[in-house]
Parts: sequence; structure tokens; C-alpha cells
Amino acid sequence: SAVISQKPSRDICQRGTSLTIQCQVDSQVTMMFWYRQQPGQSLTLIATANQGSEATYESGFVIDKFPISRPNLTFSTLTVSNMSPEDSSIYLCSVEETRKGVYEQYFGPGTRLTVT
Amino acid sequence: QKEVEQNSGPLSVPEGAIASLNCTYSDRGSQSFFWYRQYSGKSPELIMFIYSNGDKEDGRFTAQLNKASQYVSLLIRDSQPSDSATYLCAVMESSASKIIFGSGTRLSIRP
Repeated sequence: SAVISQKPSRDICQRGTSLTIQCQVDSQVTMMFWYRQQPGQSLTLIATANQGSEATYESGFVIDKFPISRPNLTFSTLTVSNMSPEDSSIYLCSVEETRKGVYEQYFGPGTRLTVT
Repeated sequence: QKEVEQNSGPLSVPEGAIASLNCTYSDRGSQSFFWYRQYSGKSPELIMFIYSNGDKEDGRFTAQLNKASQYVSLLIRDSQPSDSATYLCAVMESSASKIIFGSGTRLSIRP
């Protein structure tokens, strides 16, 4: 499976500031996904990032708050803008792989964000 | 709103017993189903996927799918303390290439 890395692994930020999270994959992938996992909760999809096009955002998430870049097939960034304590969460990058008709989705190690 | 439902647990199972985790989903057209394991403080890890009705076995894990009942389950045989984790059921939407996750079942294997 693809090896996914994220930077930073964790950060503590002040409210009103922005943080950009990087996701790097060791192979070319078509679709990358950004998820949020709030404490004790399951995974919520923020957006799908395809190379060469604008990200597709899920209900409740907007580009002004979570701008995403996807400059190539191995890299993506998610920015959490104008942060508030409610943005404290784990942010996860995910990629899909389809091999021999089998679809699989893998996750990076996550970025633990605390907003004070 | 398409949903994936799981009992949040915790489910406590003695070591060596069979742990049974259940999941129901609302999207009748879904064709792909996944089980992820998530240890505390770690990211989810894909452990099983199933596409066809019936059972699929992989080592100590068996996934079961019943599309008519919209029901997916995961059985863990010979449970070990290292199986203690949260297990997330995930379903691919029929209308889009995205996966919806359940809230997870916390499993605890007691020695």
C-alpha cells in the first residue's frame, strides 16, 4: 500500500491564526481525501482533492475556512484558517488505491491540532 | 443523509473468545464495505474489505455481508489483548467515490 506522511504531526496554535498541513504520498494517486476526527468521534470527510481541479467540499465545510491545494499526484495541503478552539481535532490525509478492481483507502498518521 | 451505524460499546470480550462487531447502513446501493481498526492515538488501519454477500475470512478475522438486510459484521476469533481498539465500519456511497464511516465500536479484550 501507499506510504503516506503528514507534517506537522502535531501543533498548538493560537486562535485567529492559520495552519497548513502537508500530505506526501510515495506513489502517484488520483484521489486524496482530507478528514477530521474530533476527540472521541469518528471520521468526517472535509473534502476530496483531485489534481488539476478544485477540491470538492462536503456539507458544512467551505473553501474559505479549509483551502486545499493539490499541485501534483503525490502531494496535497490543507489549511485550517482563522482557527478557533472548535477546530481542535486530528486531521487525516487519505488516499485511494485500486488494484485488480479492489478499492482500498489508506490513511496518513494524522496531524493533532490544538487551538488555544 | 446516508448513514452507517455501529454500537459504540465498549464491548468487553475475554481473551480467546470470539468478538462480534456489527454495523448497519442505509444506502441500499452500496457495494463496498470496509473494516478499519484504530488504536488510541493512531490513524485508522484497513483490516478487511468485502464486496459480495457471505463470509470473507483472513486469518483470525471474518467479515460477513448481508446486502438484503444492509448488515455487515466482523468476527475476531481467538481474541487477543492486542485486538483491543476501536473498530470502524465504513461503506462506500453508491453515488460517489467516497467512504462514510460509522462512529466505531470500542473493543476491549480482557485477559
